[in-house]
Amino acid sequence: GENVGLHLPTLSVQEGDNSIINCAYSNSASDYFIWYKQESGKGPQFIIDIRSNMDKRQGQRVTVLLNKTVKHLSLQIAATQPGDSAVYFCAENRRTDKLIFGTGTRLQVFP
Amino acid sequence: DGGITQSPKYLFRKEGQNVTLSCEQNLNHDAMYWYRQDPGQGLRLIYYSQIVNDFQKGDIAEGYSVSREKKESFPLTVTSAQKNPTAFYLCASSIPRQGSWANVLTFGAGSRLTVL
Repeated sequence: GENVGLHLPTLSVQEGDNSIINCAYSNSASDYFIWYKQESGKGPQFIIDIRSNMDKRQGQRVTVLLNKTVKHLSLQIAATQPGDSAVYFCAENRRTDKLIFGTGTRLQVFP
Repeated sequence: DGGITQSPKYLFRKEGQNVTLSCEQNLNHDAMYWYRQDPGQGLRLIYYSQIVNDFQKGDIAEGYSVSREKKESFPLTVTSAQKNPTAFYLCASSIPRQGSWANVLTFGAGSRLTVL
């Protein structure tokens, strides 16, 4: 899309498969993490969040896993659908009002 | 429906001109933000405001200016001093963090600025 990166890491999955999108965060002091989905031509939309005192949180078809030891965050999407095609961003929060966003991963779903 | 409205969606500017991007929210959020998005990069914070008549510079404030005269509105002016203004601009709002860890941003649909 016009408003998202042309050189982003891309994950291609077949419809119905599970998707795993990974994110490495930078600061061990970060205590809150969010995943956003951005479709072409639109602003980012909130998907799911997790606190640093949790390792896993589940939503509808999505699960976020947090590994604080290696500063790694992942978003799992079950039974991926064509409507899941978008760019996915992770963001970390360090007890300030400013979120720090990752560069994003493009998810492509093919039939 | 509550939300954030950005306008215009597309804007073309000649070099040396200032342009103002509009951002209006009816979510009753106190905090508002402006981000810039470039290909291959994450969102970068330009300015933010936690309350009316107050705002702070973000990471890339040079060449930009803002005002916050009303709670609902947070316009961004891209000045001629901004050397590379072509980008996608996103406005967001949130309830500011008050002893809680939660700080979810709600975004507008964005404004695409192209300098000719």
